Amino acid sequence: QSVLTQPPSVSGAPGQRVTISCTGSSSNIGAGYDVHWYQQLPGTAPKLLIYANTNRPSGVPDRFSGSKSGTSASLAITGLQAADEADYYCQSYDSSLSGVVFGGGTKLTVL
Amino acid sequence: EVQLLESGGGLVQPGGSLRLSCAASGFTFSSYAMSWVRQAPGKGLEWVSAISGSGDSTYYADSVKGRFTISRDNSKNTLYLQLNSLRAEDTAVYYCAIISGGSYSNYYFDYWGQGTLVTVSS
Repeated sequence: QSVLTQPPSVSGAPGQRVTISCTGSSSNIGAGYDVHWYQQLPGTAPKLLIYANTNRPSGVPDRFSGSKSGTSASLAITGLQAADEADYYCQSYDSSLSGVVFGGGTKLTVL
Repeated sequence: EVQLLESGGGLVQPGGSLRLSCAASGFTFSSYAMSWVRQAPGKGLEWVSAISGSGDSTYYADSVKGRFTISRDNSKNTLYLQLNSLRAEDTAVYYCAIISGGSYSNYYFDYWGQGTLVTVSS
């Protein structure tokens, strides 16, 4: 059971918009700790997608955006493409565990 | 170009030991905190350990505390993870990653290596 809860799967048609939620608690996201997002394409290492809630590293398309409110965060992907099919993970810090925590991951399927 | 190359994985019996290495290049290694993150087959990501740029500060997940030891040799641009008292549930791909974000509570992982597989089985 992950400290940060993500839906196991989401799907959307090409061109559509999808969102992936990441729900935490008062000891992590709700305590004000930043949320970061990673994309893991099949058979590859994870790649940083969003850092500090809303920031995109150089080279990440602006189709990807992050937001945070209260004890939750969200990743939005617009203009869905087949190449976006991957697993997505949120990550934060938990003060009760005194450690870095990941969500369980969400598999995005492009229909 | 930033490169992280893990090595040292393999098959080990329960209770055994292994040392993983991560050779870094393309950046000033000693200026960055580094971390190990693992992924069991078909499962999600699990943070394992982190170390400051100087090596003075180390952090561990509860699941590995007392069994794993993170270290670094800045003269060799290499990160290590010593795995002792291994259990079946330690079976995973182990990734090394460059940390950004400043303080420990703001850590995130900027670049990742391709990983090395550790299998614990008799």
